[in-house]
Amino acid sequence: KNEVEQSPQNLTAQEGEFITINCSYSVGISALHWLQQHPGGGIVSLFMLSSGKKKHGRLIATINIQEKHSSLHITASHPRDSAVYICAVPGNFGNEKLTFGTGTRLTIIP
Amino acid sequence: DSGVTQTPKHLITATGQRVTLRCSPRSGDLSVYWYQQSLDQGLQFLIQYYNGEERAKGNILERFSAQQFPDLHSELNLSSLELGDSALYFCASSVDVGDSPLHFGNGTRLTVT
Repeated sequence: KNEVEQSPQNLTAQEGEFITINCSYSVGISALHWLQQHPGGGIVSLFMLSSGKKKHGRLIATINIQEKHSSLHITASHPRDSAVYICAVPGNFGNEKLTFGTGTRLTIIP
Repeated sequence: DSGVTQTPKHLITATGQRVTLRCSPRSGDLSVYWYQQSLDQGLQFLIQYYNGEERAKGNILERFSAQQFPDLHSELNLSSLELGDSALYFCASSVDVGDSPLHFGNGTRLTVT
């Protein structure tokens, strides 16, 4: 079973700061997911990536397959970015048997 | 809007009872996944269906069962409920079983009293 570790567990920052959330896993994978869980509980899929880097608006996700590590960056952070960010990796390939990290609770202060 | 519909949003029931959670996947998605999120365990994969067939099983209790119907909607049945089954249950869908984006429903919050 893949072991997934996220850091930090909690992060509080001022509006406008550059945010980095890290995810490490123990077994090689085909792709990794980054999810956002809002305070109300709903989950939104942010990225699925298997190599390199992806960007969507102020969000950037990178993955290093060799080092078994991924990062999620938020540029020019805003209070509406406050949420729990979760990385997830598959058991075999694709979306199968996802193992989830414990999440990073991000709070952006105006 | 992810296009995935879960009903009901909230469910309060007593220990020993049985409930059914329903999920309609995004149009065109053939794969449906069920996850449980409890305070002490975090998000855990329960079971996956693809085009009506069970595809993969995770940490799903024997008291729980699921199925995917010909119209691709899925139901998760939870029976002999215990206090520890109180959790958020999420359904997600994707177009296939490989490396494809996941679309999550808003979840069903189950409270067992």
